[in-house]
Amino acid sequence: GAVVSQHPSWVICKSGTSVKIECRSLDFQATTMFWYRQFPKQSLMLMATSNEGSKATYEQGVEKDKFLINHASLTLSTLTVTSAHPEDSSFYICSAPEGALAGASDTQYFGPGTRLTVL
Amino acid sequence: AQKITQTQPGMFVQEKEAVTLDCTYDTSDQSYGLFWYKQPSSGEMIFLIYQGSYDEQNATEGRYSLNFQKARKSANLVISASQLGDSAMYFCAMREGNAGNNRKLIWGLGTSLAVNP
Repeated sequence: GAVVSQHPSWVICKSGTSVKIECRSLDFQATTMFWYRQFPKQSLMLMATSNEGSKATYEQGVEKDKFLINHASLTLSTLTVTSAHPEDSSFYICSAPEGALAGASDTQYFGPGTRLTVL
Repeated sequence: AQKITQTQPGMFVQEKEAVTLDCTYDTSDQSYGLFWYKQPSSGEMIFLIYQGSYDEQNATEGRYSLNFQKARKSANLVISASQLGDSAMYFCAMREGNAGNNRKLIWGLGTSLAVNP
């Protein structure tokens, strides 16, 4: 299957600092990537859809000024958590659909996730 | 209303036995896709199996098979010959519409599977 990497795998930061998380599709191009947040023992919550070359589309209730998304190339999307606070501590995970060929499953492949802890 | 329903928060199975994880869905689209993912304690989401709404045969991938009953809107995951490494959270997800048009997935709440030795 397709491979998606995510960096860093974990980060601890002080309240008020900004944290950047990178998501890369390693062996395919991704015009679209998705950013999710997951709390312990809960399902995935879609935060935003990252679109290469255009603005991200945020889900209702997600602060676009706090969670900045940049999809600079066909293989890289970044999520920056600005002025992080303890309530932003969570597991952040990205995904990229493999492609949109007719009849294809367009399966989303996931990065390994980033555990963010804000002190 | 929930569009993906996983009614089993937790399941236990004996090693080497088969287990079925339930998933029902709700959509008015004729074209849609159904996915199962595994999430071990490490957190990574591992794609297991896919079923398209127009696929006439049930999908199979090794020890995983999807029991697709379109009229009942169910897409249960069957794991045969369970192994200790199968212990994980399992999520059912649905993509409404054709691939490439609406690529967002709708997720169920997940089922935690524990395989006993």
